[in-house]
Amino acid sequence: GAGVSQTPSNKVTEKGKYVELRCDPISGHTALYWYRQSLGQGPEFLIYFQGTGAADDSGLPNDRFFAVRPEGSVSTLKIQRTERGDSAVYLCASSLARRGTGELFFGEGSRLTVL
Amino acid sequence: AQSVTQLGSHVSVSEGALVLLRCNYSSSVPPYLFWYVQYPNQGLQLLLKYTSAATLVKGINGFEAEFKKSETSFHLTKPSAHMSDAAEYFCAVSDDTGFQKLVFGTGTRLLVSP
Repeated sequence: GAGVSQTPSNKVTEKGKYVELRCDPISGHTALYWYRQSLGQGPEFLIYFQGTGAADDSGLPNDRFFAVRPEGSVSTLKIQRTERGDSAVYLCASSLARRGTGELFFGEGSRLTVL
Repeated sequence: AQSVTQLGSHVSVSEGALVLLRCNYSSSVPPYLFWYVQYPNQGLQLLLKYTSAATLVKGINGFEAEFKKSETSFHLTKPSAHMSDAAEYFCAVSDDTGFQKLVFGTGTRLLVSP
């Protein structure tokens, strides 16, 4: 596709359930990022992939959150035992550059609501 | 750690008026600074970036920003607002490790009235 694609666009789940959010980056982009945007806040960094490996996962809030990118393209953010505080818009971005001046291209986000 | 502060969660202007969105940063090292825009139902889009070259940076859609080290500011301006500029604007600074881990401000919603 032309841009970063995220699915689902909206997800409503119950507390304690497991959730997967998918990101399909721009073709050829080696770097992929996940951010989380809570209501009234700016995006907050979660994790960064360079190729298949997580180069920096320091933003993941706890061990209930996990992300993979097994073939260096599509990534899945996985949230176990969801809590109401996990409700937010989860943003994915991709870029060409390994490091430095590359522009981040963002998807429209996946809105997660935990009841 | 680096951070940015955006003054004003909402800014209202009339069409044709000057747009000024404020951003102040905190950084112990020379920062890289960015402005992103988010239109309704769209992803964040880069408006412009400062990477230690010229202090006055021009971006898309007629926006520009000036890096002022003495004031630790990177305010976004546009001489004449259009209705289509109504959106949410985010200032961001790079983390010490480089561009990947952007630290965003809380955003400013720009409202443009006819």
